Amino acid sequence: EAQVTQNPRYLITVTGKKLTVTCSQNMNHEYMSWYRQDPGLGLRQIYYSMNVEVTDKGDVPEGYKVSRKEKRNFPLILESPSPNQTSLYFCASSLSRGRVAIGTNQPDEQFFGPGTRLTVL
Amino acid sequence: GENVEQHPSTLSVQEGDSAVIKCTYSDSASNYFPWYKQELGKRPQLIIDIRSNVGEKKDQRIAVTLNKTAKHFSLHITETQPEDSAVYFCAVYALNFGKGTSLLVTP
Repeated sequence: EAQVTQNPRYLITVTGKKLTVTCSQNMNHEYMSWYRQDPGLGLRQIYYSMNVEVTDKGDVPEGYKVSRKEKRNFPLILESPSPNQTSLYFCASSLSRGRVAIGTNQPDEQFFGPGTRLTVL
Repeated sequence: GENVEQHPSTLSVQEGDSAVIKCTYSDSASNYFPWYKQELGKRPQLIIDIRSNVGEKKDQRIAVTLNKTAKHFSLHITETQPEDSAVYFCAVYALNFGKGTSLLVTP
């Protein structure tokens, strides 16, 4: 089954304690990204990766790190979490970031993981 | 980056009525516009998308229209049902999302 998985699904931690949220996809997608979702602010992109060893900042990268050593995995790292990073996090993957040829009818859906609800005390 | 504005932020309709959600974007070169539906406690999922080489696309009760000149695109849901209640996000490419519209369909 084609899917994106995230772990853990729920996490309560304390300020300053390093944590990693894992993300894995089995669809051989090149493009992966991380979003945080907060009430009234929608989905905001944290980091994205176009391919292995290629990562770039999204709109809200401060306080986060990522790595893309393998095509299927894209972990999100919070070196020193703070309360303002309390949020719902989604990992997502897609074929090509929506930039498929205009003449095709191939969908370029972003597949989202189930989400990780993080609370930083 | 691309600036995506979505309106309204909340929308309440009666079952059977139509619902329309509108998004505007800033980059005239953009050519892919997906819509996602997020039910409470679940992940966003694609419901329909449109590319800039067409002006309208329909899938049963949902449709999307695109006005490239005005740089806006809209989601239309006809004959709404309570199970349509969710948050809807527009996006440009698979990147920039609107802030979402919370749709409530009341019986």
